[in-house]
Order: sequence, then C-alpha cells, then structure tokens
Amino acid sequence: GAVVSQHPSWVICKSGTSVKIECRSLDFQATTMFWYRQFPKQSLMLMATSNEGSKATYEQGVEKDKFLINHASLTLSTLTVTSAHPEDSSFYICSAPGWNIQYFGAGTRLSVL
Amino acid sequence: TQLLEQSPQFLSIQEGENLTVYCNSSSVFSSLQWYRQEPGEGPVLLVTVVTGGEVKKLKRLTFQFGDARKDSSLHITAAQPGDTGLYLCAGGAGNTPLVFGKGTRLSVIA
Repeated sequence: GAVVSQHPSWVICKSGTSVKIECRSLDFQATTMFWYRQFPKQSLMLMATSNEGSKATYEQGVEKDKFLINHASLTLSTLTVTSAHPEDSSFYICSAPGWNIQYFGAGTRLSVL
Repeated sequence: TQLLEQSPQFLSIQEGENLTVYCNSSSVFSSLQWYRQEPGEGPVLLVTVVTGGEVKKLKRLTFQFGDARKDSSLHITAAQPGDTGLYLCAGGAGNTPLVFGKGTRLSVIA
C-alpha cells in the first residue's frame, strides 16, 4: 500500500537554530500534503496545507515566516522550523491524501533546548 | 468551521469490560475515520465509514456512522490491555485536511 515517509523521526536542537522536516510520498504523487502539530496528550491540529507549485496555505495563528513550507516536487514537502524556541517543541506529523484516505507519516518529535 | 466533539477524553477500565467512544458534530461529513495512535508514532487508520447508518466490525471493535452522517461511535467488546492507546475520530475526505476530535486516551488494566 501507499506509504508516506517522514524524516527525521526525532530531533533535538538548540534554541535559535532551524530544523527541516521532510515528508515523502513513496509510491504515489501528492500535489497536496498536510502538516499537523500535536502537543502532549492532545489531538492533531492542522498547521498548513502544502501545495506543489504554489504557496502553502496556513491556518489561522500559524506564523508562515516561522514555519516555512516548500513543496519541491510531487513526492516531497518540507517543513522548516526557523529560529526554533522551546515552545516549538512538539510532535509534527505530515499526511498525503489518497483515494478517500489520508496516509500519515510516522511523525517527528522536535525538542528545542 | 467543522468541529468534532469526542468523548470521553480519558477512560480507564478493567480487562474484559466493554466501552464506547463517541464522536459528534453539528456538521455533516462525507466520511469519518477512526485512528489509533501509539506514543511517538503517527495515527494508524482503523476504519472509514462513508454511508449513513453504516456499521463496520473489526474483530472486537464495532464502528457506527449516524444516519445523518454527523456522528459516529466506536465500541470495544471485552477490552484487552493491548487496546490501550489514543483513539481519534476525524472527518473529511479526498483532498481536504482532516478535522480531528480531541481524542480518547484509553487505558485497559489487566
């Protein structure tokens, strides 16, 4: 079946540095991908919609200059957390839609020290 | 804005007991999905319900979609410790992002 690969699975960084998270659709093309954030013991919240060939669409309250999204190809979307701070520590999950189904990555746990 | 109200948020039961998780909305959804998520992992799809009134069974799990496609339930019979996890309902389909309920954290005690 279709698989979405997310990398890295876990990253620790110092405050002020930038972190890039990759989301790849392995055996299908995805013109759209979704990025979610999940805080401990909470549900998934949509951050933005990544669109191949055009700008990402961000949800209200999500800073587009802080969370840079690039949909470089039909199989790759990247989320870059710029100038990360401890409050950005969270679990980030991407998904790509298939036929009436969403395929989720395994998630990336970001810890900012 | 479509919202999904999921209840209960926390549930701790003894092994062998039955339980039901509810997912309700004032909006109509084309489909609803139920996921289970383990700590540090992405959500794993359990089932998708599409037709109003639909009932699907997955071993000891029974999923129901309301006639008006605004609500859904997950019933677990004779819960096992291996059922412990976070259960999430989500609405949406196709090329749209999913709307998630707040989740139900289930703990089954042996």
